[in-house]
Amino acid sequence: GEDVEQSLFLSVREGDSSVINCTYTDSSSTYLYWYKQEPGAGLQLLTYIFSNMDMKQDQRLTVLLNKKDKHLSLRIADTQTGDSAIYFCAEKTGGSYIPTFGRGTSLIVHP
Amino acid sequence: DTEVTQTPKHLVMGMTNKKSLKCEQHMGHRAMYWYKQKAKKPPELMFVYSYEKLSINESVPSRFSPECPNSSLLNLHLHALQPEDSALYLCASSQSGQGAKNIQYFGAGTRLSVL
Repeated sequence: GEDVEQSLFLSVREGDSSVINCTYTDSSSTYLYWYKQEPGAGLQLLTYIFSNMDMKQDQRLTVLLNKKDKHLSLRIADTQTGDSAIYFCAEKTGGSYIPTFGRGTSLIVHP
Repeated sequence: DTEVTQTPKHLVMGMTNKKSLKCEQHMGHRAMYWYKQKAKKPPELMFVYSYEKLSINESVPSRFSPECPNSSLLNLHLHALQPEDSALYLCASSQSGQGAKNIQYFGAGTRLSVL
């Protein structure tokens, strides 16, 4: 079955880089997503990567994919207090309607 | 524009009330979803509509009744809810149900409290 694992908490100092990690079990996963959820808000799609890519960069965000280890990471450069939120990793196979979500990593940024 | 609009933002209802949640998107997406999310948990899928037809019902109790009047609108009718149904209800949409373009875009949610 599908399973997506994330660590529950990450605490960083403002200005440092944050790295949020995710592992998944389904080797046929084709699409991998990162969503951000601020308190009381919905899920905001941050970025996504296809399984035929190793890396994707978008401004302060860098996604790295290690297909062999089924490991996905999200790096946030120069982390700001506004980055404090829960970050959900999700994966989906091509034939599926629905992504499988991890439990979310709560990122706390200290001034 | 990747906006999914949900109304109301907050709803408080008694266990005997009937209320509806609304969701709207104008991205031309043909798949729409209802999720339920409890605090500090990932969203849990409830229903999927594809081309205005119900395609997935994740064994949701009948006190939740979805409706898709047209390709832009999705409703969730609520009746005789229980306090444990209190949660954030999220609507999402995607270009189609499956395949490469099925990136889900979420609304801001309706915070529901059942007294």
